[in-house]
Amino acid sequence: EDKVVQSPLSLVVHEGDTVTLNCSYEVTNFRSLLWYKQEKKAPTFLFMLTSSGIEKKSGRLSSILDKKELFSILNITATQTGDSAIYLCAVWGANAGGTSYGKLTFGQGTILTVHP
Amino acid sequence: DAMVIQNPRYQVTQFGKPVTLSCSQTLNHNVMYWYQQKSSQAPKLLFHYYDKDFNNEADTPDNFQSRRPNTSFCFLDIRSPGLGDAAMYLCATSRARGIDSPLHFGNGTRLTVT
Repeated sequence: EDKVVQSPLSLVVHEGDTVTLNCSYEVTNFRSLLWYKQEKKAPTFLFMLTSSGIEKKSGRLSSILDKKELFSILNITATQTGDSAIYLCAVWGANAGGTSYGKLTFGQGTILTVHP
Repeated sequence: DAMVIQNPRYQVTQFGKPVTLSCSQTLNHNVMYWYQQKSSQAPKLLFHYYDKDFNNEADTPDNFQSRRPNTSFCFLDIRSPGLGDAAMYLCATSRARGIDSPLHFGNGTRLTVT
């Protein structure tokens, strides 16, 4: 069964700190890894990663994938209170049924709290 | 703005009383998904539609059904809700299935079962 594990489960920091969120995975026929930010509503898409070693960046957020070691990290620099959210990692992999489109499996999320 | 809309945001139902959650999209995406997310847990895929083709996850209870009458709308029917079905239900869409299609989520419906 495909598995996505995120760490830490929760993290409390102060504004201005830099944080690193981790996501490791075991999936059949890995295709891509996605990061989402979930506040008190729908998850919003942050990044999609398909290739190892290529950093994706959006403002203060960046992410990189290591397909050899089967993990990804999400970095947030100069954190702000608005960064407080649950960060979800999800991985596309071919499911056990071997369908052409695969299956997206989510991790349990990291709860980030940023204090002023 | 093109988006995914779920109604209602909050739903309270009684134990055993059927309930229907709705989702609509203006993205014209082919794929619509229903996820169940319990507190502090990962979203769990219940089923998805690829166009009119219904795909049920093997571990989705029979108590959960879905309908997609047209491209824009998809419904989640819970025939006999139990206390364990209390959760956030997320609808999502994607243009296609696979690596180049991020999911776009609605704001979710939080279901309470009394």
